[in-house]
Amino acid sequence: GENVEQHPSTLSVQEGDSAVIKCTYSDSASNYFPWYKQELGKRPQLIIDIRSNVGEKKDQRIAVTLNKTAKHFSLHITETQPEDSAVYFCAAKYGNEKLTFGTGTRLTIIP
Amino acid sequence: GAVVSQHPSRVICKSGTSVKIECRSLDFQATTMFWYRQFPKQSLMLMATSNEGSKATYEQGVEKDKFLINHASLTLSTLTVTSAHPEDSSFYICSALEGTLSYEQYFGPGTRLTVT
Repeated sequence: GENVEQHPSTLSVQEGDSAVIKCTYSDSASNYFPWYKQELGKRPQLIIDIRSNVGEKKDQRIAVTLNKTAKHFSLHITETQPEDSAVYFCAAKYGNEKLTFGTGTRLTIIP
Repeated sequence: GAVVSQHPSRVICKSGTSVKIECRSLDFQATTMFWYRQFPKQSLMLMATSNEGSKATYEQGVEKDKFLINHASLTLSTLTVTSAHPEDSSFYICSALEGTLSYEQYFGPGTRLTVT
């Protein structure tokens, strides 16, 4: 089955700086890679996703890059703000099958 | 966007009792629903996948007789934790897929179960 690794487990950045979180996956058949933000006690919130036919996708301050050959994908947050502090999860799957989540990254934005 | 609800949001029960958690898709038909468990400071772990009208598929290590899943309609799936024990205390989250061609999963708000 699919295995997703995520790094780092914790990340602290100064407000206004950029944050990068990286994930690798094992199943070359996976073709959908979402990123979720989860605040304490709440549901995961989809912030951006990318499909395997695209190498990069951007939505305002958030971007995701995908390297299918190397089987890794990354989340980039620019101009970080205190409200970006949360736990972020990457995930991977094929089509409408089950999602496999990474282990999560606790991001702290230092004012 | 698509909305998934869960009920109850929090429940406290005594050891040995059973607890039922409901997951509903409010504005779409969910052909597939997923049940996850999340322990503090950990990732979401898939427990089972349920398709409307058929038996759930459980992940390795998840006891199907303890975690009963019923997906009786295209808008409702239930998870019953039977003979609950303190180690079953966790955050349970469901998610739903709309149709068979959909990629995005819509998550419910979660249910915090505490077994005393």
